[in-house]
Amino acid sequence: GAVVSQHPSWVICKSGTSVKIECRSLDFQATTMFWYRQFPKQSLMLMATSNEGSKATYEQGVEKDKFLINHASLTLSTLTVTSAHPEDSSFYICSASPPRGLTEAFFGQGTRLTVV
Amino acid sequence: DAKTTQPPSMDCAEGRAANLPCNHSTISGNEYVYWYRQIHSQGPQYIIHGLKNNETNEMASLIITEDRKSSTLILPHATLRDTAVYYCIVRENTNAGKSTFGDGTTLTVKP
Repeated sequence: GAVVSQHPSWVICKSGTSVKIECRSLDFQATTMFWYRQFPKQSLMLMATSNEGSKATYEQGVEKDKFLINHASLTLSTLTVTSAHPEDSSFYICSASPPRGLTEAFFGQGTRLTVV
Repeated sequence: DAKTTQPPSMDCAEGRAANLPCNHSTISGNEYVYWYRQIHSQGPQYIIHGLKNNETNEMASLIITEDRKSSTLILPHATLRDTAVYYCIVRENTNAGKSTFGDGTTLTVKP
């Protein structure tokens, strides 16, 4: 089946630094990837849609200059949290548009970001 | 995407069937019902989806009412590993990765 892999699974960084999270579709090409954020005991909230070769589309209230998204290839999208602060600590999850013939989304295993 | 309503939590005895309801009274004709689950600190996992007919796969069964305003996910023989948050999502078949997640149902399977 289609596999989406995120790296790293968890990361701890100091306040003010930047962190990059990778999302890869391992056995299929994904023209579109999606980034979600999930705070403790809450549901997933869509942050942005990442399109290969073009600028990402951000949901209302998500700062595009803080959450930089790059989708340079059909198998890789990256989310960079710039100048991270403790309130950015969260579980970040990506998903990829499915291979041809499938309609369900495939999610990465998530990245736990802790900013200290 | 149509809004869904699910009970916040449910318990189920190990080995028994778990029936998880979902209301989606504003579903439109071209929207499907998708179910995902999220085990603690993992990404969501696809379970099953359907349009209007009942569906079954190796994981679960999906029962959709005739008016399509509600559905039930059935885990026929729940195990402890089925403890998770279950999300019912209603959306069109396009743009599969873009899903609106509600609060879901926390299913706790007890020994």
